[in-house]
Amino acid sequence: DSGVTQTPKHLITATGQRVTLRCSPRSGDLSVYWYQQSLDQGLQFLIHYYNGEERAKGNILERFSAQQFPDLHSELNLSSLELGDSALYFCASSVATGGGSPLHFGNGTRLTVT
Amino acid sequence: GNSVTQMEGPVTLSEEAFLTINCTYTATGYPSLFWYVQYPGEGLQLLLKATKADDKGSNKGFEATYRKETTSFHLEKGSVQVSDSAVYFCALSPKAAGNKLTFGGGTRVLVKP
Repeated sequence: DSGVTQTPKHLITATGQRVTLRCSPRSGDLSVYWYQQSLDQGLQFLIHYYNGEERAKGNILERFSAQQFPDLHSELNLSSLELGDSALYFCASSVATGGGSPLHFGNGTRLTVT
Repeated sequence: GNSVTQMEGPVTLSEEAFLTINCTYTATGYPSLFWYVQYPGEGLQLLLKATKADDKGSNKGFEATYRKETTSFHLEKGSVQVSDSAVYFCALSPKAAGNKLTFGGGTRVLVKP
């Protein structure tokens, strides 16, 4: 058990809809990262938050947004969903932001857009 | 930009066989290097890491050595078990880039009894 909790585990929704994925980091971890895993793109970094502030953006679409709340949990919002957004979305946390600190991953949310 | 290339799978082995998964990287400076493992239905787990040249990371019988001259971080295990069946990801993190990991495409390993 990594200590990172993601909800829900599975989500099935229709094109054009909006969903929110939730992540609770490990106790004491200030950094939260979101990754998308799909068969054709592999693991893609989406966004990084540290202690409530956005620190880095990766290949995140404008239809997607995220935030980290004062209690350090994070939410990833996906809107105007398309079939191609179907993927596994992982949240990871780490205690710091410096390179070399390992990331601890949740078990992911599997999103299916029909 | 940064990139990680690892051998495509699947790699199918018999129990007690020797496993090697090749990983090479492109990055500016000297990144930290990682191997993560993903078991079916689970998230990624850190397997081992190395933060500077010639460092050897090891865990659960797996080893990888940070080779700056060949920009490689190959994963090896001398005797695999069925329970080692999983997808293995090589990744790098530039030290000054906020820990953002860049992953390779993953290598599926299947160990048969």
